[in-house]
Amino acid sequence: AQKITQTQPGMFVQEKEAVTLDCTYDTSDPSYGLFWYKQPSSGEMIFLIYQGSYDQQNATEGRYSLNFQKARKSANLVISASQLGDSAMYFCAMREGMPGSARQLTFGSGTQLTVLP
Amino acid sequence: NAGVTQTPKFRILKIGQSMTLQCTQDMNHNYMYWYRQDPGMGLKLIYYSVGAGITDKGEVPNGYNVSRSTTEDFPLRLELAAPSQTSVYFCASIPGSGGGNQPQHFGDGTRLSIL
Repeated sequence: AQKITQTQPGMFVQEKEAVTLDCTYDTSDPSYGLFWYKQPSSGEMIFLIYQGSYDQQNATEGRYSLNFQKARKSANLVISASQLGDSAMYFCAMREGMPGSARQLTFGSGTQLTVLP
Repeated sequence: NAGVTQTPKFRILKIGQSMTLQCTQDMNHNYMYWYRQDPGMGLKLIYYSVGAGITDKGEVPNGYNVSRSTTEDFPLRLELAAPSQTSVYFCASIPGSGGGNQPQHFGDGTRLSIL
């Protein structure tokens, strides 16, 4: 079974509008973390936001927020006030097991976001 | 601060050739990782290391080897290049100590084509 599932291969959003990128995960480990990365067309991996399994509140970082629904095993990324520079591939990733784990990440297949002017 | 440095950025190999992808980090991070990213796909873990002298296999290790003789360096070796190894390779690192919220720091990637 896929550990990280991103069901939206491509998404379009109008500039200045909000957009939600979906991510569901599968783990039996009570301790895990969820990361979102942005990969622009230049190819580098840019960390956006983190949510830990024991965090009581949804994570926020500027225009990025994470809609974390633990019972449904979903960790959707919300981008508010989209900008043209937000056009990129977005990856959801999971780190299982703490402490003592090697902290490797399992990635989803990504969502290509295009912001329209 | 250079962060994670990968060399070369691009390379074309012939089938059967060998090469080493270099990865160096100057952040004194203990944990290092190699991923590959096939076109239109997410990253898959090849090998990882939690310290000098310690390495372990990830999800897709076949056809690759690694070594970790120093904290700074984590080279990835392809012994007999095959077309299936055409991919973009990313090296990443984290301190290893501290909380689980540490994001992995990625290099800029090596784009490898096997022809």
